Amino acid sequence: AQSVTQPDIHITVSEGASLELRCNYSYGATPYLFWYVQSPGQGLQLLLKYFSGDTLVQGIKGFEAEFKRSQSSFNLRKPSVHWSDAAEYFCASNRDDKIIFGKGTRLHILP
Amino acid sequence: NAGVTQTPKFQVLKTGQSMTLQCAQDMNHEYMSWYRQDPGMGLRLIHYSVGAGITDQGEVPNGYNVSRSTTEDFPLRLLSAAPSQTSVYFCASIWSRGAVTEAFFGQGTRLTVV
Repeated sequence: AQSVTQPDIHITVSEGASLELRCNYSYGATPYLFWYVQSPGQGLQLLLKYFSGDTLVQGIKGFEAEFKRSQSSFNLRKPSVHWSDAAEYFCASNRDDKIIFGKGTRLHILP
Repeated sequence: NAGVTQTPKFQVLKTGQSMTLQCAQDMNHEYMSWYRQDPGMGLRLIHYSVGAGITDQGEVPNGYNVSRSTTEDFPLRLLSAAPSQTSVYFCASIWSRGAVTEAFFGQGTRLTVV
């Protein structure tokens, strides 16, 4: 069965530092992959998506993600985080018109 | 466009009570889903629908019923609420073209069962 794994439950980085959130998928064919962000008490906002083509995808709020088939990964990156980036981040993949989510990574920002 | 509208935003139920969480979308999407979000568990799929009159079970369907009489509406029913159903519930409306899909979410319903 297709699954999405986010190995890190919590990540803490200092404001201004770079960020990488990990996501691994298991699926035989080329998956369609997403990153969502959820601020405290809010709904989910789509950051970026990968369907095909260029494996480096640019999203909103300065985020990017790179699809690596050889590593079954779709890691989210940002060169310099801001305090407002503190939130929970979800990697997701589609399967038969259903969106399947990882368990999330909560990002903490140190001042 | 309003997108996906969920009501209510907050609800407290007593064990054994029933209620319906409402979800409506105005994007004319065929596909809709209900998820529940629990700490450390991510979002888990409860039920989904691929069009009016068609529904199917997701990962955690027990204790929930759905129906899809129109394209716009996809209500989620709790027949006899249990404390284990305390959660945040999200409805999603899904755009799909072939294998390409994208989900649009409502703002969520925070449900507490006491």
